[in-house]
Amino acid sequence: QVQLQQWGAGLLKPSETLSLTCTVYGGSFSGFYWGWIRQPPGKGLEWIGEINHSGNTNYNPSLKSRVTISADTSKHQFSLKLSSVTAADTALYYCARGDWVFWGQGTLVTVSS
Amino acid sequence: QSVLSQPPSASGTPGQRVTISCSGSSSNIGGNIVNWYQQLPGTAPKLLIYSNNQRSSGVPDRFSGSKSGTSASLAISGLQSEDEADYYCATWDDSLHSWVFGGGTKLTVL
Repeated sequence: QVQLQQWGAGLLKPSETLSLTCTVYGGSFSGFYWGWIRQPPGKGLEWIGEINHSGNTNYNPSLKSRVTISADTSKHQFSLKLSSVTAADTALYYCARGDWVFWGQGTLVTVSS
Repeated sequence: QSVLSQPPSASGTPGQRVTISCSGSSSNIGGNIVNWYQQLPGTAPKLLIYSNNQRSSGVPDRFSGSKSGTSASLAISGLQSEDEADYYCATWDDSLHSWVFGGGTKLTVL
């Protein structure tokens, strides 16, 4: 069974960089895209971006200038960095396999001064 | 403002059939597959339907999906109290080069 476990800082100040990592347990890392999705409190889902084992990435155009997604295939990990955060980036962040079958548990990231 | 349009709410009584719509354009739904997700309170979204009408593993056949042109629909028959959740549609948008979601529909079982 595939499991995704994510972690990272949950409280940031404005202008800081959000950093989250997701480790994939079980199953194949290659052959899939791996992505990040976020959900502001009480709101809907927003796709952030994705990466595959070759390092090919796709990003949400609205976030592209601030987002970097990277992967360490040897560790079956992929990471999200979002720079210059503001209160609007406060959300529950999820990692997921690119076919959307398997999801991480979610990490609440709050941006507050 | 979401790229895909869903009604914000829907409701039905136990046993009823409910349909949730998802409207897009030729650059997204019109040319790509649609997925549907169920999100129970306090949990991560769960893939219900993929590739327009394929049920994900373990999803009851009470759930079905369809697509026509630039719109898609999720139908839930034999409505049960445990179906009360938020439902989201999603697809790839060729113009944005991005996955896009609907705004979500909150389903209430009366």
